[in-house]
Amino acid sequence: GAGVSQTPSNKVTEKGKYVELRCDPISGHTALYWYRQSLGQGPEFLIYFQGTGAADDSGLPNDRFFAVRPEGSVSTLKIQRTERGDSAVYLCASSNRAGDNEQFFGPGTRLTVL
Amino acid sequence: AQSVTQPDIHITVSEGASLELRCNYSYGATPYLFWYVQSPGQGLQLLLKYFSGDTLVQGIKGFEAEFKRSQSSFNLRKPSVHWSDAAEYFCAVGRGASYDKVIFGPGTSLSVIP
Repeated sequence: GAGVSQTPSNKVTEKGKYVELRCDPISGHTALYWYRQSLGQGPEFLIYFQGTGAADDSGLPNDRFFAVRPEGSVSTLKIQRTERGDSAVYLCASSNRAGDNEQFFGPGTRLTVL
Repeated sequence: AQSVTQPDIHITVSEGASLELRCNYSYGATPYLFWYVQSPGQGLQLLLKYFSGDTLVQGIKGFEAEFKRSQSSFNLRKPSVHWSDAAEYFCAVGRGASYDKVIFGPGTSLSVIP
């Protein structure tokens, strides 16, 4: 596609439920990143993939959060036992430019946990 | 570890006036530096980036930024602000690798008075 796409654009769930957020990177981009942006704050790094493997997952807040990228393209961020504090906009970015790490961001998924 | 500070939470300028948004970073080596803009309901858009060479970089929409190693700063400037520039601006720093997480500052919200 022309840009990074994320689905759904909005997700409302109840505390304790499981959610999956999907990211479709720019075609051919080898690196894929997940960030979380809480209201009034800058994006906070969660995890990034180089190909199919997680190259850095140091930003995942706890073991309720997990992400996969099984075929090196689409990625899914999975959150178990959601809590109200998980409410945020989840941003995905991709890059394929060796040399300057420019990342292209999707529109985000707004997650609301009631 | 890298970190970014943006001292101004909110700035208001008149249309046509000049603009400078401040950014200070902390990183031991030469960083990759970025400025992103986020309009309401929109994704993050890259304005400009620095990773080597000329310390004054030109970006889109008439923005420029200057890397000053001695001050650990990467301030964003525009000589004449337009009403459409009203948005949230984020400075970000990377570790100088081709693929790596990026650390964002807390953002500066810009309002433009007609």
